[in-house]
Amino acid sequence: LAKTTQPISMDSYEGQEVNITCSHNNIATNDYITWYQQFPSQGPRFIIQGYKTKVTNEVASLFIPADRKSSTLSLPRVSLSDTAVYYCLVPNDMRFGAGTRLTVKP
Amino acid sequence: NAGVTQTPKFRILKIGQSMTLQCTQDMNHNYMYWYRQDPGMGLKLIYYSVGAGITDKGEVPNGYNVSRSTTEDFPLRLELAAPSQTSVYFCASSQVGRGLAGGRETQYFGPGTRLLVL
Repeated sequence: LAKTTQPISMDSYEGQEVNITCSHNNIATNDYITWYQQFPSQGPRFIIQGYKTKVTNEVASLFIPADRKSSTLSLPRVSLSDTAVYYCLVPNDMRFGAGTRLTVKP
Repeated sequence: NAGVTQTPKFRILKIGQSMTLQCTQDMNHNYMYWYRQDPGMGLKLIYYSVGAGITDKGEVPNGYNVSRSTTEDFPLRLELAAPSQTSVYFCASSQVGRGLAGGRETQYFGPGTRLLVL
C-alpha cells in the first residue's frame, strides 16, 4: 500500500517562496498526485494535481521528478493568508493524514 | 452552483442523544463521503457512497449510519452520541471515486459541522 510522507510543519515569512515535499515511493505507474489545502475551520480544497514534470496554476506549482517518487508543492511569495494545512494524496493512499501545517509570519 | 452544503453548522448534543447531519451536493456527483476531523488531526473516512442506494464503510464507521436515497443527499446519522464523537464532520463529493482513474478525481468539501457531545 503506497504511503505518503510529508513534513508535519513548516514556518515561513511573507513574500518568501515555500516548497513542501511529499514522498510517495510506491506510486503506481498511472497514478496522479493531488494536493489539497485546508484553512482553519474550513473543509479541504483542491489546489493542484499532476502526473510528471511541472504543473502550474494560479495558486501553486507542482514539481514531479522523473522517478515520480516524490513531488514538491511550491507556493510563490506567500502571504499570511496562505497559512493552512497542505495534504498530498496519491490513489493508493487516499487518507488525509496530518498534512503539513504551514505558518506564514509577518 | 452551491457545491456541497451541510447543516447544521454547529450542534451540542447530550450523551445518548441522536441526530442527523445533512449533506447535499448539486454537482450530480455519484460519489459522496463523510469524514471526521479531530482537533489538530487529519481527516478520517467514516462512510462513503458510490451512488444512490449504495454505501460502504470507511476507516471509522462505528457509531454512525448513512443512507443514500438520492444522488444529491447523503445524511449521516448518530444514534447514541458519545463524547468520543465530538469532532468536526465534513461531507465531500466527487465525480470519480477516490483513488480511481489514476487519482484524477477532485473531491469537493462542504463547510463542515462542528459537533460537541457533553
